[in-house]
Amino acid sequence: DTGVSQDPRHKITKRGQNVTFRCDPISEHNRLYWYRQTLGQGPEFLTYFQNEAQLEKSRLLSDRFSAERPKGSFSTLEIQRTEQGDSAMYLCASSFGQALGYEQYFGPGTRLTVT
Amino acid sequence: SQKIEQNSEALNIQEGKTATLTCNYTNYSPAYLQWYRQDPGRGPVFLLLIRENEKEKRKERLKVTFDTTLKQSLFHITASQPADSATYLCALNIRGGSYIPTFGRGTSLIVHP
Repeated sequence: DTGVSQDPRHKITKRGQNVTFRCDPISEHNRLYWYRQTLGQGPEFLTYFQNEAQLEKSRLLSDRFSAERPKGSFSTLEIQRTEQGDSAMYLCASSFGQALGYEQYFGPGTRLTVT
Repeated sequence: SQKIEQNSEALNIQEGKTATLTCNYTNYSPAYLQWYRQDPGRGPVFLLLIRENEKEKRKERLKVTFDTTLKQSLFHITASQPADSATYLCALNIRGGSYIPTFGRGTSLIVHP
């Protein structure tokens, strides 16, 4: 399967702990996106990479969140000092193209539960 | 403020009928609009994209319309099947904006056999 993969699929952590998620995009895709989704809501944008450059971050993104894409391939999303409000599905998506309008391919998501 | 509105109530229809889902938006100037399907516990799957200068797009049993005057997109599934049951999300990309779409909350479709 050459789709977008995410690891782990589920994570349960205690409040105050740090967590890190990984995303492997489709290999030829140069753009990578992170979203957060809570029950009954659509995906909410967190951050976006083009190759290894982080080009955009949501103003809603707390300083506790950081993302990297060191070689323009896989990406990691770290949440420090987790809070119960961080419980959500974290989705990664990738796309390819030079112009606007290219559809995104999503991974299966990582479900985070903070207790 | 900017809003994307999709009916929060589930749409229940009988197998074989046409399902029509609505996406309304305010204070946006979208360059294009996308529709995605999402099954429980899974990531969204891209279905169709329509540009602001297009009125209608079709793909197999799916049809999307885009009316920039009404600020509305309609998503139709003809000859619906129980396997079409899922949540359908619309997403807008604004003209002159970035590559990041803004998603609506989605509408749940339930097709009864």
